[in-house]
Amino acid sequence: SQQGEEDPQALSIQEGENATMNCSYKTSINNLQWYRQNSGRGLVHLILIRSNEREKHSGRLRVTLDTSKKSSSLLITASRAADTASYFCATDAGTASKLTFGTGTRLQVTL
Amino acid sequence: DVKVTQSSRYLVKRTGEKVFLECVQDMDHENMFWYRQDPGLGLRLIYFSYDVKMKEKGDIPEGYSVSREKKERFSLILESASTNQTSMYLCASSLGQYGQPQHFGDGTRLSIL
Repeated sequence: SQQGEEDPQALSIQEGENATMNCSYKTSINNLQWYRQNSGRGLVHLILIRSNEREKHSGRLRVTLDTSKKSSSLLITASRAADTASYFCATDAGTASKLTFGTGTRLQVTL
Repeated sequence: DVKVTQSSRYLVKRTGEKVFLECVQDMDHENMFWYRQDPGLGLRLIYFSYDVKMKEKGDIPEGYSVSREKKERFSLILESASTNQTSMYLCASSLGQYGQPQHFGDGTRLSIL
């Protein structure tokens, strides 16, 4: 079952611009994670935000979490061509060690 | 760095064959997972294991089984492959505590003809 839904499904921007992608989920969570997937490769963990946190930064990444709206956003600042990838949110509902992944946002950064 | 290794990047099998996909992790992680990834459907959990010889069904276990005889190795078995099992299969591992980040292999693109 899909817990997270990313929006938009696809995003195309130019290098240097900021990219924002959103994730909505349905049930209460312990934490929410964002992953990146380059074409034909596995997923790579980017950042984790706990349910009692509202904002978190890591390098050019900024994640926000609004538990009242059951939503999160990932902002990538000053995008580079190397940021071209699919981005997934994943939620941990705390009932087991498993995560539930969304369907992803495909980001294309052009020169 | 954690390394999760999947035995094959690409695999082509025939309908009805028994197919084994192997995954090995080198960081002593308690949890291991098998997902399949299809366009528009994201990642769907097939099975996961939280300890040696322990397994739990995920969201789509039908047609699959798993084996975890050693902590570092988690195998996915397609008992009798069918064309609707053509997909990208991803293995992941994580530490035993709830909600830990997962570390993924590069995937096996499996085609069933």
